[in-house]
Amino acid sequence: KAGVTQTPRYLIKTRGQQVTLSCSPISGHRSVSWYQQTPGQGLQFLFEYFSETQRNKGNFPGRFSGRQFSNSRSEMNVSTLELGDSALYLCASSQTGMNEKLFFGSGTQLSVL
Amino acid sequence: GESVGLHLPTLSVQEGDNSIINCAYSNSASDYFIWYKQESGKGPQFIIDIRSNMDKRQGQRVTVLLNKTVKHLSLQIAATQPGDSAVYFCAERSLKTSYDKVIFGPGTSLSVIP
Repeated sequence: KAGVTQTPRYLIKTRGQQVTLSCSPISGHRSVSWYQQTPGQGLQFLFEYFSETQRNKGNFPGRFSGRQFSNSRSEMNVSTLELGDSALYLCASSQTGMNEKLFFGSGTQLSVL
Repeated sequence: GESVGLHLPTLSVQEGDNSIINCAYSNSASDYFIWYKQESGKGPQFIIDIRSNMDKRQGQRVTVLLNKTVKHLSLQIAATQPGDSAVYFCAERSLKTSYDKVIFGPGTSLSVIP
């Protein structure tokens, strides 16, 4: 069974641009959550989606948004990029998002110049 | 200016020795705890979990201990191998809130000396 797939693996953007990251969960998993990982803040929860609905959201500004499609694939978008948005963005999936371990992808490394 | 970041605790152990990685969790309402291992260039990988109605759980070469009184979690790795070199994160969540977010600790970097 294929694992969680994130694309692209690396991205370089400039301040003010926007970016879209993609995540394909493990087949049969309907919950997708997103995390931001930085050396300064560690792993921080962004949001979680289940059946195309956002069920939980972390403490990030509105520039960070996401969505989930009917096939459970998810995208996250960051608009008006800032230097501080440089981070590894990790996607994780689970069957229902309830009381289960998470399976992580390898992440998208975003660099904002 | 210079930003103050997390200073990742580092643990260096000799190959073959046992490793103990400690973690203090923050929320007394958390009742489910997980250890993840993150190797360079990869996402976190599940190692072992424990629920709050237990104080010890064993897996293959790993043992997790939970002390709810002092909100402390530890991961013990037996006969540490070079492949165990990674950053280890403890994580907590509340099972009472079905889809509560997972809160990760700052991580500990384990370095195995051959």
